[in-house]
Amino acid sequence: GQQVMQIPQYQHVQEGEDFTTYCNSSTTLSNIQWYKQRPGGHPVFLIQLVKSGEVKKQKRLTFQFGEAKKNSSLHITATQTTDVGTYFCVRPGGYQKVTFGTGTKLQVIP
Amino acid sequence: GAGVSQSPSNKVTEKGKDVELRCDPISGHTALYWYRQSLGQGLEFLIYFQGNSAPDKSGLPSDRFSAERTGGSVSTLTIQRTQQEDSAVYLCASSSAGGHEQFFGPGTRLTVL
Repeated sequence: GQQVMQIPQYQHVQEGEDFTTYCNSSTTLSNIQWYKQRPGGHPVFLIQLVKSGEVKKQKRLTFQFGEAKKNSSLHITATQTTDVGTYFCVRPGGYQKVTFGTGTKLQVIP
Repeated sequence: GAGVSQSPSNKVTEKGKDVELRCDPISGHTALYWYRQSLGQGLEFLIYFQGNSAPDKSGLPSDRFSAERTGGSVSTLTIQRTQQEDSAVYLCASSSAGGHEQFFGPGTRLTVL
């Protein structure tokens, strides 16, 4: 089946350390979205990447879309306790089935 | 309201009973999605509506699950003859069009005893 895998599944970091989650699709993506889900909450949209090789930044968060449009990454610089949650990459719907990645759960140790 | 709302927020039912979950999307959003999330797990896509039609029903786990959307707005997800493995949080999301940013509701936590 068409899968979207993320690694690592879990990551514990000390506050102030950097964090990266990687997303890999078995098929080429037209675009990719990233969402964050806080513990006990619902997913919240972070960003959408469309172009091959695209890099976008949101404060301490850097998102990349691979040249082949089959992978993506999210990097957080100098993590804070507010970064705690699960980060999902998502193959959006529309003309293709929505597929949420397996997710990376981030725990930040103060 | 400004966001996606879902009701009930919690539902406890007995095995074998039918349940109906409701989703009110953001006004004007044509796309609506249902997902299921088991404890500590990722999101499992169930169904997608564009307007009142469902071009993608591939995620419904069995024929006990059905969904409808009327007037291009409210949607209901019905689970017949509930089983214990149906226990999960059911999330609804809407977007202005298919493939756009999704706005999620708070979810309905379903517990089947």
